[in-house]
Amino acid sequence: AQSVSQHNHHVILSEAASLELGCNYSYGGTVNLFWYVQYPGQHLQLLLKYFSGDPLVKGIKGFEAEFIKSKFSFNLRKPSVQWSDTAEYFCAVSDSGAGSYQLTFGKGTKLSVIP
Amino acid sequence: NAGVMQNPRHLVRRRGQEARLRCSPMKGHSHVYWYRQLPEEGLKFMVYLQKENIIDESGMPKERFSAEFPKEGPSILRIQQVVRGDSAAYFCASSPDGGSSEQYFGPGTRLTVT
Repeated sequence: AQSVSQHNHHVILSEAASLELGCNYSYGGTVNLFWYVQYPGQHLQLLLKYFSGDPLVKGIKGFEAEFIKSKFSFNLRKPSVQWSDTAEYFCAVSDSGAGSYQLTFGKGTKLSVIP
Repeated sequence: NAGVMQNPRHLVRRRGQEARLRCSPMKGHSHVYWYRQLPEEGLKFMVYLQKENIIDESGMPKERFSAEFPKEGPSILRIQQVVRGDSAAYFCASSPDGGSSEQYFGPGTRLTVT
């Protein structure tokens, strides 16, 4: 079975600081990778996804993530965070084959950005 | 364009009662997925449905849980004879196609069993 580990439960940053949220997955096959964000009081929204090709993926709102196959990692980055980035971030993985609709999520990382 | 709707948002049930959770997918979406988030855990896949069909229920507990997505109306996740361990947030997602098509999530229903 797949599993996803997010290393940090809660991250607190000042505005303009750089962000990196860790995500590791355990699955031996080919995977699809996702980052979702949940802003306070809102639904989960897709931030970015990786299916194949360039391992550096750019998403919305200045976020990017890098897939490193040898490390089973898909870390999320943003060079300069804003107060509006305060949210909970979830990494997710699915099999790229027949079960690609089955997302497995990490426990999430809460990000608090201090103005 | 309304997003995925779930109701109720909060549901309290006593042990042994039944819980019915509803999900209306986005307009034009015929694929629905249910996920459960236990306390301090990530979301876990439960079931995937298309109109009138269960495609994959491999994540559903074998007993007491059932799901349907009728031709008309919302998808329903039904939990019979609830126990305290069923307390969780239940999320519904929908997509226009199956496979790796992007899933759009609803706000979730938080079930508390007392």
